[in-house]
Amino acid sequence: LAKTTQPISMDSYEGQEVNITCSHNNIATNDYITWYQQFPSQGPRFIIQGYKTKVTNEVASLFIPADRKSSTLSLPRVSLSDTAVYYCLVGSRNSGNTPLVFGKGTRLSVIA
Amino acid sequence: EPEVTQTPSHQVTQMGQEVILRCVPISNHLYFYWYRQILGQKVEFLVSFYNNEISEKSEIFDDQFSVERPDGSNFTLKIRSTKLEDSAMYFCASSESQGFRGTEAFFGQGTRLTVV
Repeated sequence: LAKTTQPISMDSYEGQEVNITCSHNNIATNDYITWYQQFPSQGPRFIIQGYKTKVTNEVASLFIPADRKSSTLSLPRVSLSDTAVYYCLVGSRNSGNTPLVFGKGTRLSVIA
Repeated sequence: EPEVTQTPSHQVTQMGQEVILRCVPISNHLYFYWYRQILGQKVEFLVSFYNNEISEKSEIFDDQFSVERPDGSNFTLKIRSTKLEDSAMYFCASSESQGFRGTEAFFGQGTRLTVV
């Protein structure tokens, strides 16, 4: 699995857009990028997955540049309830046994 | 929305005792997982299970751990002789397909295991 690097923590005020960047220099051709969110004392929750360019859903957008060596999770207009740990994971959709492997993630604190 | 349910939400046990953590995965899912998270640390993979057998396990998942799907709905994690360092939040997850194959894994709310 490609190694990922994310900031350990970020702070943001309510209503701001938050961008969390993940580096994955060794990403392979078949690898996808997936982001999970974990609230305190809860299990991780899938947010978004992408391969290249831009993916958007009702929760977030994921921007992936052409070289795919990094990706940016964008949370529009965050609220206090977006305070959580955000994990970037990279892995292949074509390999057999590929359990999700979590890193330390980015702890986002949203301030009123 | 379908969800993975885990019981109990909190279990306290004495060191050396056996515990069984229970999970009901989402009904049409085929792949099942156990993860654990020691307080303040990252989520760690323990084991994945498919077609009634373990498909992958981490080095954490040693001989004191076992998993079972005793019927069509439950998925259990047994710890035979608990140690203090087994204290953690244990998460069960399920997915339609394995790992990154295009679908998300759904996690339960977790069981907080405290070994005293």
